Amino acid sequence: AQTVTQSQPEMSVQEAETVTLSCTYDTSESDYYLFWYKQPPSRQMILVIRQEAYKQQNATENRFSVNFQKAAKSFSLKISDSQLGDAAMYFCAYRSYSGTYKYIFGTGTRLKVLA
Amino acid sequence: KAGVTQTPRYLIKTRGQQVTLSCSPISGHRSVSWYQQTPGQGLQFLFEYFSETQRNKGNFPGRFSGRQFSNSRSEMNVSTLELGDSALYLCASSIGGGTESGNTIYFGEGSWLTVV
Repeated sequence: AQTVTQSQPEMSVQEAETVTLSCTYDTSESDYYLFWYKQPPSRQMILVIRQEAYKQQNATENRFSVNFQKAAKSFSLKISDSQLGDAAMYFCAYRSYSGTYKYIFGTGTRLKVLA
Repeated sequence: KAGVTQTPRYLIKTRGQQVTLSCSPISGHRSVSWYQQTPGQGLQFLFEYFSETQRNKGNFPGRFSGRQFSNSRSEMNVSTLELGDSALYLCASSIGGGTESGNTIYFGEGSWLTVV
């Protein structure tokens, strides 16, 4: 069975600085999708970035980028120029390319942004 | 385009009662999935529906059930409520199918259920 691990329960970053959130996963599959979702205090889960495992190029969305290391089964999220609005819980998620249609989420990392 | 809509947003029920939560997906989305979020267990997958058929189910007791209608709207029902069912229930929708875009889910704001 697949698992997703986020080993950092909480992280802090100074406004305008860069922070990296870690995520590792375990799977025997070769094709899959990885995601980062953000959950602010409103509890609305918002998609931050998505990575297809077959793509070697790391995904980027404005200030958000990932470091996808398939062999190491690592999928970290880098937030550049951190803003106060980035403060939230961040969840890493895994989805099989085929077969089951469920997402497997990590336990989340709470990000605090310090002014 | 309207997002995923969940109703009710907040509700309080008594142990032993049953509850029904509703989810309207994004227009054009045919897949609806449900998740339970608690502080202790994180986000746990309940089930997923596509074109009125349940495609996958998580490890929850039979008290948790769901269905999907022809217009893709979905409901989940929890019978004989227990204190441990208190949680945020999140619904998510996606286009469905095997396309890249079809594999991304978009969440609603959730339904807060408190069992007393």
